[in-house]
Amino acid sequence: GGIITQTPKFLIGQEGQKLTLKCQQNFNHDTMYWYRQDSGKGLRLIYYSITENDLQKGDLSEGYDASREKKSSFSLTVTSAQKNEMAVFLCASRDRASDYTFGSGTRLLVI
Amino acid sequence: GEQVEQRPPHLSVREGDSAIIICTYTDSATAYFSWYKQEAGAGLQLLMSVLSNVDRKEEQGLTVLLNKKDKRLSLNLTAAHPGDSAVYFCAVIPTGGYKVVFGSGTRLLVSP
Repeated sequence: GGIITQTPKFLIGQEGQKLTLKCQQNFNHDTMYWYRQDSGKGLRLIYYSITENDLQKGDLSEGYDASREKKSSFSLTVTSAQKNEMAVFLCASRDRASDYTFGSGTRLLVI
Repeated sequence: GEQVEQRPPHLSVREGDSAIIICTYTDSATAYFSWYKQEAGAGLQLLMSVLSNVDRKEEQGLTVLLNKKDKRLSLNLTAAHPGDSAVYFCAVIPTGGYKVVFGSGTRLLVSP
């Protein structure tokens, strides 16, 4: 079986800082996703990528950049962290025939 | 685009009782439906998926019903136990689409 790994698990940043979150999968899935989950709420799509070097904006892309330089990895950058921001960022992958597989998340706190 | 509403947002039941979570969707061309479970501090774990040509699917104490006429998807935990306490999300995938739409989640608490 495969695995999807998010790093780091916890990220503490300062206001205005640029922060990068990484996601790696070895399922050979074509499509990868970044979601943001705020406490007690659902998932909001930030970016997705249907293949290497492809990027598609989701509903919440403002304030974020993404990069898919290899099929197996998808990174997300918070371009300028907002003070007191606290959320979980979930990465997922799938191919057209499969369900989502999610990583365990990166928990962000901005002080 | 597709809109998904999930209810209830919170559900509390006793061990052994049933717990039912419902999602309604708007796009009749939706191809694929899934239910996910999220335990505290973890990502989402797939419970069950159904294609749009399936009305009912049962697996390991879970029943998924799909009513295409009413555009309603439900998850029934037939005899809940405390280990089922988690947040549950429905997910709806349109035909030919990449963008899955998730429900807003149901926080289920099963007390002994």
